[in-house]
Amino acid sequence: EPEVTQTPSHQVTQMGQEVILRCVPISNHLYFYWYRQILGQKVEFLVSFYNNEISEKSEIFDDQFSVERPDGSNFTLKIRSTKLEDSAMYFCASSGQGEMDQPQHFGDGTRLSIL
Amino acid sequence: GENVEQHPSTLSVQEGDSAVIKCTYSDSASNYFPWYKQELGKRPQLIIDIRSNVGEKKDQRIAVTLNKTAKHFSLHITETQPEDSAVYFCAASNNDMRFGAGTRLTVKP
Repeated sequence: EPEVTQTPSHQVTQMGQEVILRCVPISNHLYFYWYRQILGQKVEFLVSFYNNEISEKSEIFDDQFSVERPDGSNFTLKIRSTKLEDSAMYFCASSGQGEMDQPQHFGDGTRLSIL
Repeated sequence: GENVEQHPSTLSVQEGDSAVIKCTYSDSASNYFPWYKQELGKRPQLIIDIRSNVGEKKDQRIAVTLNKTAKHFSLHITETQPEDSAVYFCAASNNDMRFGAGTRLTVKP
């Protein structure tokens, strides 16, 4: 079964540095998402992306964050000037064709630790 | 924006019993309601979903009901097994998916 893949699985970064989290969505999917999950808490929506532009973003997704689809396969989340509170698991998800609310398939996540 | 409330936060049942988890949502425009199971350290995995034009859906031991008027939906797991132990999240979506806080289900053998 096709899967969403994320790299790296764990990223450790000094506070104030920039990080880029990478995702390869399922190949024929058209909608892409990033979510954040702080340890022991719920999954929080960050952003959705379709047709090379942001469709929706949450209040969490401020100017510190950006997303990009640099080529036909990768989908990235960039976090600038990282803060301690950015430490969390970041999940990428993708969904198929047609309406946006097709089932979303999650990757295994990147655990981001800010020191 | 959408706000999803989920209850209970923890649920412990004996193997073979049923488990029910309830969620409410605030945005009447939400039209897609998935349920995810998350084991410790793993990704959320979709177990069942329901759309707003349907009142009930069943898949083997798992069923979901939706009451659009009252803006609530529920997950029912029958004949629970120890491997059902996990955190379960409900979500509601109208273009952006908002999750409930999760229910930690423990099934005791």
